[in-house]
Amino acid sequence: ETGVTQSPTHLIKTRGQQVTLRCSSQSGHNTVSWYQQALGQGPQFIFQYYREEENGRGNFPPRFSGLQFPNYSSELNVNALELDDSALYLCASSFPGNSYNEQFFGPGTRLTVL
Amino acid sequence: AQSVTQLDSQVPVFEEAPVELRCNYSSSVSVYLFWYVQYPNQGLQLLLKYLSGSTLVKGINGFEAEFNKSQTSFHLRKPSVHISDTAEYFCAVSMNSGGYQKVTFGTGTKLQVIP
Repeated sequence: ETGVTQSPTHLIKTRGQQVTLRCSSQSGHNTVSWYQQALGQGPQFIFQYYREEENGRGNFPPRFSGLQFPNYSSELNVNALELDDSALYLCASSFPGNSYNEQFFGPGTRLTVL
Repeated sequence: AQSVTQLDSQVPVFEEAPVELRCNYSSSVSVYLFWYVQYPNQGLQLLLKYLSGSTLVKGINGFEAEFNKSQTSFHLRKPSVHISDTAEYFCAVSMNSGGYQKVTFGTGTKLQVIP
């Protein structure tokens, strides 16, 4: 059974640029969530995708957007990068019928914005 | 709105001593509760979860937690810690929020085990 994978592991961008982060969910999982974890903080919920539709969103501006594909993999896109976007971005998947939404996490992508 | 408070940002403890990491939550509806562990430069790994039933739940690596509904707490305990337990621990609550299960994390507690 393959776990959640994310790419790239590290990324350096400059302010104003755009970035795309990728996530492959664990085999059999159909729900994907994205979190932003700033240094010294807990993960903050960005949004969740279920069956290719966004079905929940945290307090993040519209320049944070996402996609989920038919194979349940997912992308997080961030436009007009700001210095405060520097963080570890975590992807988590959960399995069908998981009414309590236990999250299975990937290793994360470390984004640095200069 | 749901929220999770981890009262201690850092907890130093000597090896083989017991430890308790505190977590309180606020929610007006039923919740599910989790503890996750994060080792440096890694994602989060589930330690244990409370869904229903017995209020004392056991997890991996010898950890356990007790759900206390009246005090809205879910404290994590281990009777004897090892050096390898040095990591950051996150408490999380899952509740229905407008048709989906929203998971909210606390700010984390860094456990430092001293040899």
